[in-house]
Amino acid sequence: GESVGLHLPTLSVQEGDNSIINCAYSNSASDYFIWYKQESGKGPQFIIDIRSNMDKRQGQRVTVLLNKTVKHLSLQIAATQPGDSAVYFCAEKSPRGTALIFGKGTTLSVSS
Amino acid sequence: SAVISQKPSRDICQRGTSLTIQCQVDSQVTMMFWYRQQPGQSLTLIATANQGSEATYESGFVIDKFPISRPNLTFSTLTVSNMSPEDSSIYLCSVAGTGQETQYFGPGTRLLVL
Repeated sequence: GESVGLHLPTLSVQEGDNSIINCAYSNSASDYFIWYKQESGKGPQFIIDIRSNMDKRQGQRVTVLLNKTVKHLSLQIAATQPGDSAVYFCAEKSPRGTALIFGKGTTLSVSS
Repeated sequence: SAVISQKPSRDICQRGTSLTIQCQVDSQVTMMFWYRQQPGQSLTLIATANQGSEATYESGFVIDKFPISRPNLTFSTLTVSNMSPEDSSIYLCSVAGTGQETQYFGPGTRLLVL
């Protein structure tokens, strides 16, 4: 079936470290992917997106990598800060529709 | 991006009652969606709110349980009908512009059904 999953439910890092959050997707037809950050008590916040015709996209302190061969998506956060502590979700979109399919989420905990 | 607000932000309701959640956007948007996020879980799409026509529901969600209105391009409501404790969740609306795939989310409505 169509689903997006994450490899690890939790990730703990030290402040200043680089964080890598992984996501595996199963629909090879998906053409658009998004990473969201959800802090406690808030709605998901857009971080970065990538289309299937790209392998890498960089933002401010964040990089998304897409490996279509193994259907893998990752979010890299440089110099992780305590304010990065949140649940991170990846989501994919099929070219056939508008719906986003969300993965299970990874809880990132940053200790100082 | 658009500023999205939801009312109420949270509520505690008795089983068997209904609650209507409002989603207001500060600019006109083409697409509006409603999601459910059960405790500790990911987001699941309930339906796409279509302006001027009936909402498009995802598998497992029906109009009788989750009636949706969208009278214009800036506003939508989701009603959770005949509630049971299993309906305790966060309900989120999201929006996307014309030709845009990126969805932006509101702050959510936290519902507890006793």
